[in-house]
Formats: sequence, structure tokens, C-alpha cells
Amino acid sequence: DTGVSQDPRHKITKRGQNVTFRCDPISEHNRLYWYRQTLGQGPEFLTYFQNEAQLEKSRLLSDRFSAERPKGSFSTLEIQRTEQGDSAMYLCASSPEAGSYGYTFGSGTRLTVV
Amino acid sequence: GDSVTQMEGPVTLSEEAFLTINCTYTATGYPSLFWYVQYPGEGLQLLLKATKADDKGSNKGFEATYRKETTSFHLEKGSVQVSDSAVYFCALSAATGGYNKLIFGAGTRLAVHP
Repeated sequence: DTGVSQDPRHKITKRGQNVTFRCDPISEHNRLYWYRQTLGQGPEFLTYFQNEAQLEKSRLLSDRFSAERPKGSFSTLEIQRTEQGDSAMYLCASSPEAGSYGYTFGSGTRLTVV
Repeated sequence: GDSVTQMEGPVTLSEEAFLTINCTYTATGYPSLFWYVQYPGEGLQLLLKATKADDKGSNKGFEATYRKETTSFHLEKGSVQVSDSAVYFCALSAATGGYNKLIFGAGTRLAVHP
């Protein structure tokens, strides 16, 4: 297993465009998480899935954001009508169970909205 | 709400110096505590963890002890190397979140010079 994979690594988009990111977790992990990290800050929780069910969403996840994990494997995070404030690193992580064992993070997708 | 506070960086040290990065937390219940490291251009990697009071996490020469009485989880290393230069994040996984998300500090940048 090669760990958590995220695609693309970098994305530059114009304000108002839609973007979609993909995350492939470690295959035996049933929990998948999305975080956002802005410059100089720690990652902030966005949402998480257990298998295909989205069980929690942060207030940071506005209506323009949607995440899916249709078959309990890979996940996508879509941002509609991007704004400059959406520029950040979007991190995906997976774990075999809740919290105490820590997560495995992907390398992230860096989004720049111009 | 739950939170993590880290000492501000950057921390600049000479090779073989002793390292301490302070971390304190606020949480209800009994969180698990983590240190993650982020090398330039890479994702977050779990460095060490502790799941209950008085536990000591250790890895690659780094150590941190879960101190419930002082709500702290300070990171230490006896002799740093240039290759330890990175950003270090303290995090907790709390019962109030069902242990389903990590709450991170803002990160502390470490620069080690030869």
C-alpha cells in the first residue's frame, strides 16, 4: 500500500470556477477525513466519512463545498464558485478507527484561487 | 471548546542542541495527544502519540509525556539534527468530538543549523 494519495497536487483556478479534488485512502481504512490548512496555521477539520456515510461536517464547510465517498473507498471534495478565501492546502487522511491511533495524511492538494 | 496552544516559532537551534516545543491543551474528558511533523513540501506525518495520562510517546529520538495535571504534552529531543528542520504540530483527539477529529495547534517551525 502506498499510503493516502491525493490528486492533483496543485490547482490554480480563476475565481468563480468549480474545482474537484480526489483522495484515495489506505485500502483497509474505513474512516476518511478532509482538513484545510491555511498558511501559518494548523489543519482545520472539514468533514469525515465512515465507509460511505458522511457523519460530521464542520461549520467551515459552506454550502459551496460538497464531499462524497460513493463506494466507501475514494472520496471527492468539490468547491463550487471558488473564492480567493478558498486558497489553502486541502488535506485528506484516513484511519482504521476513531482517534486514538492517529491518522495517515496524504500530501495534500494546494489550491490557489486567482 | 477543545483547543491546543503551541509555543510560537520559529525555533532556531544549532545541531546537537536540546529541543523543547511546548504544547498545552484544553479538553473535556481524556483526549489522546499527538505530535505530527510536516517536512517542506510533504504531508503531515505522525511522530508520536500518547493515549492516557503519564504515557510517554517516543519516536526517532523525540519524546513527549502526557501530563494531565498541567494539561501539557511538550515535545523534546536531546540532540537535534539538520534533518529535523520542519514544522511540528501538537494535536488532540477529544471525546467531545467522539474521537472523530483532530484539533491542531498552529504549528512551530524548527530550523536547525549546522
